[in-house]
Amino acid sequence: NAGVTQTPKFQVLKTGQSMTLQCAQDMNHEYMSWYRQDPGMGLRLIHYSVGAGITDQGEVPNGYNVSRSTTEDFPLRLLSAAPSQTSVYFCASSRTGGSNQPQHFGDGTRLSIL
Amino acid sequence: ELKVEQNPLFLSMQEGKNYTIYCNYSTTSDRLYWYRQDPGKSLESLFVLLSNGAVKQEGRLMASLDTKARLSTLHITAAVHDLSATYFCAVVPLTVNDMRFGAGTRLTVKP
Repeated sequence: NAGVTQTPKFQVLKTGQSMTLQCAQDMNHEYMSWYRQDPGMGLRLIHYSVGAGITDQGEVPNGYNVSRSTTEDFPLRLLSAAPSQTSVYFCASSRTGGSNQPQHFGDGTRLSIL
Repeated sequence: ELKVEQNPLFLSMQEGKNYTIYCNYSTTSDRLYWYRQDPGKSLESLFVLLSNGAVKQEGRLMASLDTKARLSTLHITAAVHDLSATYFCAVVPLTVNDMRFGAGTRLTVKP
């Protein structure tokens, strides 16, 4: 059982480049989310989705886009990378948004913007 | 705005000692989560607390929730080196699916 799979694990970009971080889950979870983790700040929610075709903004959505065309996949797009977006990005999923179950986290993508 | 505050942010303990990590939050919530993160790794779920007065225990860790005080605690009993990690609490407000994390408590257990 793969759980939540994130690719790539590491990425270096130049300022202004765009890229997509991939996230896939095989647990048939309705709820998926993206967080960024910066030192001393815990995890901050970027965007989330409560099901295919439905997305919403979290605490820090600026500079990021998401879409949810299938239940399994929830890609995060950086439109024009900036050094402030250097961070570790985690994707997570749970059965439903109102679920009492904890979220399952992927292994993270370590992103550096030069 | 929802705020989740953990303290202490750094904790160095001797093996065998007891200590408590505190998590305060600023909005009404009926769901609080505790996660553990080892350096360079992902987050692992420890506890889910769903009601006022909820208490859960796993090994040397015990978590509790007081929704009226908007406070959760993570108590460590007779700490061992393997408990060294960063511990996060996370809160989901009643009205939205927006999970907010505390800044984390970096725990180091020394022999």
